[in-house]
Amino acid sequence: DTAVSQTPKYLVTQMGNDKSIKCEQNLGHDTMYWYKQDSKKFLKIMFSYNNKELIINETVPNRFSPKSPDKAHLNLHINSLELGDSAVYFCASSPLLQGVESSGNTIYFGEGSWLTVV
Amino acid sequence: GENVEQHPSTLSVQEGDSAVIKCTYSDSASNYFPWYKQELGKGPQLIIDIRSNVGEKKDQRIAVTLNKTAKHFSLHITETQPEDSAVYFCAAHNQAGTALIFGKGTTLSVSS
Repeated sequence: DTAVSQTPKYLVTQMGNDKSIKCEQNLGHDTMYWYKQDSKKFLKIMFSYNNKELIINETVPNRFSPKSPDKAHLNLHINSLELGDSAVYFCASSPLLQGVESSGNTIYFGEGSWLTVV
Repeated sequence: GENVEQHPSTLSVQEGDSAVIKCTYSDSASNYFPWYKQELGKGPQLIIDIRSNVGEKKDQRIAVTLNKTAKHFSLHITETQPEDSAVYFCAAHNQAGTALIFGKGTTLSVSS
């Protein structure tokens, strides 16, 4: 009964390949996110979706394409993988957009997907 | 846009000592400041948060203080234990209020 689950947990692939990471949340939240954590542990927002609609695309290369078939799922597809894409990718969700004043507006993170491009 | 600075990047303490991690933010409109703990191989987990209408919040051994005038907030952990060893992140909203912007993290090591 994991709240935010993402698969796969580990992914090793060659440069130039296309890969996808799937994410699902069973919390009934309206908003989902993808964050990237590099080797220095920096956590950076990539995308956010609210009720299946794209809210943020933080200057991420268009090789990265998020897809939200419904508000419980936000998948990340990456084309033409490069060495610099190696990182941990975290999916997350929150009840509402962060800017909405709410006492329960916590972001919940998944366990991460470790992507290594060789 | 919002910029969150976090210090120190590493912190080593003896078991039982206190640990303090400090963050500053740039956007005076930010009103929500959470702290996350990330253990090895896991995703970040919220440990405490504070909103701009209060100056301090405490939860057992963990407390957070907020100074809106100076635009800084701090995490205080008392009576540290080895299981407190982890990476801690502070965060604040981006300008549009649509996502959290994280500090660069503090690696806390508690030795027994």
